[in-house]
Formats: sequence, structure tokens, C-alpha cells
Amino acid sequence: DAKTTQPTSMDCAEGRAANLPCNHSTISGNEYVYWYRQIHSQGPQYIIHGLKNNETNEMASLIITEDRKSSTLILPHATLRDTAVYYCIVRVSSNTGKLIFGQGTTLQVKP
Amino acid sequence: NAGVMQNPRHLVRRRGQEARLRCSPMKGHSHVYWYRQLPEEGLKFMVYLQKENIIDESGMPKERFSAEFPKEGPSILRIQQVVRGDSAAYFCASSRPGVDGYTFGSGTRLTVV
Repeated sequence: DAKTTQPTSMDCAEGRAANLPCNHSTISGNEYVYWYRQIHSQGPQYIIHGLKNNETNEMASLIITEDRKSSTLILPHATLRDTAVYYCIVRVSSNTGKLIFGQGTTLQVKP
Repeated sequence: NAGVMQNPRHLVRRRGQEARLRCSPMKGHSHVYWYRQLPEEGLKFMVYLQKENIIDESGMPKERFSAEFPKEGPSILRIQQVVRGDSAAYFCASSRPGVDGYTFGSGTRLTVV
């Protein structure tokens, strides 16, 4: 699985968009970008994933650059409940096999 | 549609005792994963199981730890002769081929005193 690089921490004002970047310059053609988050003391939660097209669901949007070497997770209207550690994971599309979590980005949403 | 169920939520054991952590995957999910999270640290993969088979145990400590996922019943993570360093949150996840995303349980917090 390709290595990812994320900022250690970010702040965002409540109600504003939170944009979380992820670099994955060694991504392979068959690898997808997955995002999970872990709210304090809870189990991780799947957010979204994509291959090369931008994706949107009820939780977030995922923007992947044309060269696929980086991506951005967008929470359009961040709330205090979005405060969490966000993990960007690159792997082949498979719903089996282990997920490897890095250090992630700690997002603090402030009132 | 119940999610991944883990029990107990909290478990206290004295040094030297055994700890048994249970995980019932989501309905229809046949793949189970165990992760450990030490205080103030990240999630570390431990083991990946399918029914009656261990697929990947590359993250399991060599001694005292074992896992199973029997044909019937929940997956069990067993820690023998616990030590204080085993104190952590243990999370279970499940998945199913063809369905996006892994679903995690709420975890078991093990405290060794």
C-alpha cells in the first residue's frame, strides 16, 4: 500500500468548510484513496473513498488531483462533532485485508 | 441493523489473569479484524480472520495473544497472563467483499491493575 502524508493538526471554525489534505505521490494505478475518522474514544468511521474522479456523499467530498498524487477531504460545514482524527489511507480496492492507519490529522473545530 | 458489537465495553483484570474480548460482526460480514490502540497512540493492526481461519496475524504479539473466529458465535481475542502494558483500547472491525468500507465497533477498554 502507498504511503500517505498528512498534516499533524488543523483548526477550523464551526460552520466553515474543513479542507484536509493528503499527499500520496507513490500511489499506483489500481489504488484507491480512503478516508476514515476517529472521534475521541470511539471506533474509526468510514467516510468516503475514490479512485480518480471526485466523489461526494452525505458526509463529505473527496477531491483527487488529476495526477492522483494528492487529494483533499472536504467537510462542507464543519460542526463541533466533526472534531476527530482523520486518516487518509491508500490501498487497492478490496473490502478485505487489513487497513493500515498512519498518524492522521487531528482536526479541531472551534466555536 | 446492528453494527459491530463488542463486549465488554470495559474490562479490568489483575496482572496474570486472562482477558477475553468478544466481537460480533455486522450481519452478513464474514471478515473480522482486531486492532489495538495504546493510550495516546495510533491504531495498530493485530489480526485478520475469516470464519474458522486466521488470514493474517502479522500484528499479533508472539506470546500470550490468540484470536479465533469460530463457525458459530463471535470472534474472540484472548490475552493470557495480562501485564500492565496490555492496557489499551481494542477495536474490532468487520467487512464483506463487494461492500465499501469497514465497520468498527465501539471497542473494549482493557485496564490491567
